[in-house]
Amino acid sequence: QKEVEQNSGPLSVPEGAIASLNCTYSDRVSQSFFWYRQYSGKSPELIMSIYSNGDKEDGRFTAQLNKASQYVSLLIRDSQPSDSATYLCAVKSWGKLQFGAGTQVVVTP
Amino acid sequence: EPEVTQTPSHQVTQMGQEVILRCVPISNHLYFYWYRQILGQKVEFLVSFYNNEISEKSEIFDDQFSVERPDGSNFTLKIRSTKLEDSAMYFCASSDQEGAGTDTQYFGPGTRLTVL
Repeated sequence: QKEVEQNSGPLSVPEGAIASLNCTYSDRVSQSFFWYRQYSGKSPELIMSIYSNGDKEDGRFTAQLNKASQYVSLLIRDSQPSDSATYLCAVKSWGKLQFGAGTQVVVTP
Repeated sequence: EPEVTQTPSHQVTQMGQEVILRCVPISNHLYFYWYRQILGQKVEFLVSFYNNEISEKSEIFDDQFSVERPDGSNFTLKIRSTKLEDSAMYFCASSDQEGAGTDTQYFGPGTRLTVL
């Protein structure tokens, strides 16, 4: 069974600080990696995709990928109360997305 | 901005009844997916669909489930005889490519299915 693992949280982050989220995956052939944000009762909303080892930055978000360690991370800089949500790591294998259970982030004013 | 739409937003049904969940993928997308999320659990893959055929399905997607693209815009998920454990949010997603680098899946708002 291919797995995607995330810390469930909640991760409490002061407003303006950096939130650091981690994800590991077991399927070595995976080539596409995604971070989605999900507010309670809503659908997953794409934040970032990453395909190559290294860092990828988009605004306040930075994704990092290390295929050798089978590890993906997401940094959220200057965290805002609106960033309070569950962050889902998704790994694509054979056409389908496999999701982690998500990390709940709570940004405190 | 183009988006995936789903109807209805909430469906309540009796156990044993058939339900059809409807999705309109983004118009130029070719790959379509159904996922489900039981309350408090992970998002789980059900099925992928391309060129009018199922590409892949999970072990959840048994004979009770079927998918169809009845016309050029709609993509449907049918559950033939609903069970209590089918209660979940069902998400439709679409993407325009499959290759790494171009394969982002965009999700619709979901249909909450409640089986009584």
